[in-house]
Amino acid sequence: AQSVTQLGSHVSVSEGALVLLRCNYSSSVPPYLFWYVQYPNQGLQLLLKYTTGATLVKGINGFEAEFKKSETSFHLTKPSAHMSDAAEYFCAVISGGYNKLIFGAGTRLAVHP
Amino acid sequence: GAGVSQTPSNKVTEKGKYVELRCDPISGHTALYWYRQSLGQGPEFLIYFQGTGAADDSGLPNDRFFAVRPEGSVSTLKIQRTERGDSAVYLCASSSQTANNEQFFGPGTRLTVL
Repeated sequence: AQSVTQLGSHVSVSEGALVLLRCNYSSSVPPYLFWYVQYPNQGLQLLLKYTTGATLVKGINGFEAEFKKSETSFHLTKPSAHMSDAAEYFCAVISGGYNKLIFGAGTRLAVHP
Repeated sequence: GAGVSQTPSNKVTEKGKYVELRCDPISGHTALYWYRQSLGQGPEFLIYFQGTGAADDSGLPNDRFFAVRPEGSVSTLKIQRTERGDSAVYLCASSSQTANNEQFFGPGTRLTVL
């Protein structure tokens, strides 16, 4: 069965610093992987996704993630954090033929001046 | 265009009561999903509809939970004899087809069972 582990429930960075949010997955089939962002009192918004092809995926707001099969990882990065990036981030993997998403527990990103 | 909408945004009820949560998907989206997000957790899958039928209800926690989508558009999640442990944010998502297309999420309904 598929599962997702996000290391670090809280991450704090300075404005302008590198953002690195970690995600490891477990999947018995080639995975389809996603990162979603959730701002307070809002729904989940897709940041980026990996299905097939290029392993480095670029998303919205300057975020990108790299699929590393050998490490079963899909870490999310952004070179320079902005105050507006403060939110909760969820990594997810598709499970089964109906595309239901299996989410990690989430990482809350805080950005301080 | 309009996104996924959910009503009510907040629902407070007493233990033992019945509640209905509504989801309006994006027009034309045939796939609809319900997820539940408990405090401090990621969303957990409840049920998936393709058209009017529930293709996968393996995530429903017990028989107090039921969902319908009678005309293949709006869906209602129904919870009978609510318990305090049902308190969570219930999220709805829709997508245009089943072939790994993006799921668009609504803002959720925050259910509080006193």
